Amino acid sequence: TQLLEQSPQFLSIQEGENLTVYCNSSSVFSSLQWYRQEPGEGPVLLVTVVTGGEVKKLKRLTFQFGDARKDSSLHITAAQPGDTGLYLCAGGTGNQFYFGTGTSLTVIP
Amino acid sequence: GAGVSQSPSNKVTEKGKDVELRCDPISGHTALYWYRQSLGQGLEFLIYFQGNSAPDKSGLPSDRFSAERTGGSVSTLTIQRTQQEDSAVYLCASSSGPVGYEQYFGPGTRLTVT
Repeated sequence: TQLLEQSPQFLSIQEGENLTVYCNSSSVFSSLQWYRQEPGEGPVLLVTVVTGGEVKKLKRLTFQFGDARKDSSLHITAAQPGDTGLYLCAGGTGNQFYFGTGTSLTVIP
Repeated sequence: GAGVSQSPSNKVTEKGKDVELRCDPISGHTALYWYRQSLGQGLEFLIYFQGNSAPDKSGLPSDRFSAERTGGSVSTLTIQRTQQEDSAVYLCASSSGPVGYEQYFGPGTRLTVT
């Protein structure tokens, strides 16, 4: 059983389109992170959100933490081929830390 | 400074053999994690070391898996009597704080059991 479910699992879009990736759980998290992983490499942290309702923007990426701290979303505006990769959400609760199921994004030039 | 390094980068072994995977964390990082990742999937937590505390082994899938961290630095993940289902990428990460702090990942070791 996965504590953090991501959707969609796979996403293939044209350059310039917008997209949203969702990360959902029935558990409450004290913090939630988003990572991006490229083939052959380890994941790299994009952002950490800690407050319910928090919204953070990183250039064309917008991250939101749900009010109840059970879910999060990642929105990418005007996707570029360089955005291609595996996006992983990850949440901490107490001394436990869990990664989501992952969303594989392909942006076609 | 140097990031997290892992060795070997690739390992092919025969079913039933033992393997050791090594992780060199970022100097000074107190926390070290091991994860397993199947192709294109999310990360499966295996084990977590924090300072001198007893490790959290709750993610180890069977007693064939074990890990140690010597001197609070280098860590070795050992898989005994490997099985084909052990084939995956094994990722190590280190962090400067407790759970929730940013994790810095190594490039992983791709293990193939034939």
